[in-house]
Amino acid sequence: DAGVIQSPRHEVTEMGQEVTLRCKPISGHNSLFWYRQTMMRGLELLIYFNNNVPIDDSGMPEDRFSAKMPNASFSTLKIQPSEPRDSAVYFCASSTSGSHNEQFFGPGTRLTVL
Amino acid sequence: QKEVEQNSGPLSVPEGAIASLNCTYSDRGSQSFFWYRQYSGKSPELIMSIYSNGDKEDGRFTAQLNKASQYVSLLIRDSQPSDSATYLCASSLTGFQKLVFGTGTRLLVSP
Repeated sequence: DAGVIQSPRHEVTEMGQEVTLRCKPISGHNSLFWYRQTMMRGLELLIYFNNNVPIDDSGMPEDRFSAKMPNASFSTLKIQPSEPRDSAVYFCASSTSGSHNEQFFGPGTRLTVL
Repeated sequence: QKEVEQNSGPLSVPEGAIASLNCTYSDRGSQSFFWYRQYSGKSPELIMSIYSNGDKEDGRFTAQLNKASQYVSLLIRDSQPSDSATYLCASSLTGFQKLVFGTGTRLLVSP
């Protein structure tokens, strides 16, 4: 079975450019999570969706970040404009919405903003 | 205050020994607990979940939960060099899907 799929795996861009990260959750999972991981701050939850609806976006750093989930099999995380401090690894994870919420992570996108 | 605390390590153990990784949490409403393994440059991989007090065993791994003392531990028996990784502890509150992660403990298993 395919796991969570993320693209691109690596992204290098210049400050001020728009960046779009993509995620396809595991088929049948109806919850999707976006995380960011840095050495300084560890793994942080940015936003999560249940049944394509954003539930908690309190972790989104600022208005430059936005996320969408137009259907059950696709989500995007967009940064516009990007800044060097956005450099990090961005993970997408998915789970069923059962009571125990085991989350499975994608391979991540390593973003470097120059 | 961090809600899930872990010693950053590194924890060094010889091959074949038992590695003991510990985690404490501050919110008594936490219901579910997870251990993830993360190799350098890779994504977190779920290796154990535990929801009730006591022990849960899966192969060489045993997760232990003590809700009264608010700690979770992971024991790795017969440690192998391939177990060398960072181990992340995570918890979620009753009725919530949001996971709170600790900063992870780096484990080094020497041959």
